[in-house]
Amino acid sequence: EAGVAQSPRYKIIEKRQSVAFWCNPISGHATLYWYQQILGQGPKLLIQFQNNGVVDDSQLPKDRFSAERLKGVDSTLKIQPAKLEDSAVYLCASSLVFGRGPETQYFGPGTRLLVL
Amino acid sequence: GQQLNQSPQSMFIQEGEDVSMNCTSSSIFNTWLWYKQDPGEGPVLLIALYKAGELTSNGRLTAQFGITRKDSFLNISASIPSDVGIYFCAGQWSQGNLIFGKGTKLSVKP
Repeated sequence: EAGVAQSPRYKIIEKRQSVAFWCNPISGHATLYWYQQILGQGPKLLIQFQNNGVVDDSQLPKDRFSAERLKGVDSTLKIQPAKLEDSAVYLCASSLVFGRGPETQYFGPGTRLLVL
Repeated sequence: GQQLNQSPQSMFIQEGEDVSMNCTSSSIFNTWLWYKQDPGEGPVLLIALYKAGELTSNGRLTAQFGITRKDSFLNISASIPSDVGIYFCAGQWSQGNLIFGKGTKLSVKP
């Protein structure tokens, strides 16, 4: 079974530029998550989708971050404009269902973003 | 945002030694999970705990869900070089959002 795919793996941009990350979850997984992991810390949830609807985006900085999952499969996360403090690893995770108790979240390899 | 208190922050051990790390929270959780993250990769689930007091093993790994539901520990027995990495605890209420600790970086002396 293929895992969660993410691209690009690395990205270097200058502050105030825009950047987009792509995630393809495990086939059949209805729930998709985007996490931000700053160096030396654990991942922090940015947004959670159930199919193509948003379940939780309370920690997403909506003035500069946006995410979509239009067809309920792939997802993109965008930052516009980027700030220095956005330098982090952006992890995508997916799980099979939502609303039926605990579900294992499977993580992708992440996109490492450096903002100069 | 809320994070769990995970300790120790880092540790060096001799190959073959046992390792213990723990995680505490001011809030209760319904699920505790332990992940391992290798350099350049995403976290991989090691053990999931679903009931207070539960003790679960996965090979050389053993984890327990604290009775108060506010803590958990992970033990690794007879450590080997491939155990190197960062171990994260994570707490979860009913579903969805995982709250992660800051990680324990494990380094093994060959």
